[in-house]
Amino acid sequence: DAKTTQPNSMESNEEEPVHLPCNHSTISGTDYIHWYRQLPSQGPEYVIHGLTSNVNNRMASLAIAEDRKSSTLILHRATLRDAAVYYCILRDEGGRDTGRRALTFGSGTRLQVQP
Amino acid sequence: DAGVIQSPRHEVTEMGQEVTLRCKPISGHDYLFWYRQTMMRGLELLIYFNNNVPIDDSGMPEDRFSAKMPNASFSTLKIQPSEPRDSAVYFCASSLIQGRRNEQYFGPGTRLTVT
Repeated sequence: DAKTTQPNSMESNEEEPVHLPCNHSTISGTDYIHWYRQLPSQGPEYVIHGLTSNVNNRMASLAIAEDRKSSTLILHRATLRDAAVYYCILRDEGGRDTGRRALTFGSGTRLQVQP
Repeated sequence: DAGVIQSPRHEVTEMGQEVTLRCKPISGHDYLFWYRQTMMRGLELLIYFNNNVPIDDSGMPEDRFSAKMPNASFSTLKIQPSEPRDSAVYFCASSLIQGRRNEQYFGPGTRLTVT
């Protein structure tokens, strides 16, 4: 699977927007960009995913660069409950090989939110 | 739905003992994954099943580890004999492959301590 690069940690203030970057310069045409987050003492949870177009859901927005070599997870108004480790993951979902469904987690970005 | 259920939540055992971790996936999901998380190695995939059949067990550390899925609603991960280096949080996750969504739902994890 193609590799992703994320900053180790970021800080934000409560109620402010947060932009979490992810670089994936070796992304292939069939790689989807997935974001998961892991709150303290919990299992990871799905945040958002996309292929080429920007995506929005109730949790966050995903902005994907035109060349797809980078993406940004946007939390529009950070809350204390958003403090977590955020993982940017590429997953190949092309072809007939439906077996490649696992996630390969990197080290992620630890987001701290200050009140 | 109650989500992915794992038991026990915490397990403390002595080296050499057999340990069995249990997982009940979300009803109707056709993929089940076992992950392990440690400070040194992060989150890593151990094995995953599709429709109760093991698809990829290349992440299983060694023969001391085994996993089964006797039916669609139950899976076990067994370590025999256990060693201190097996101490970690073990997560089970499930997903339903439907279109391009493929998000994984993680359980709360089992924290294993081997003394």
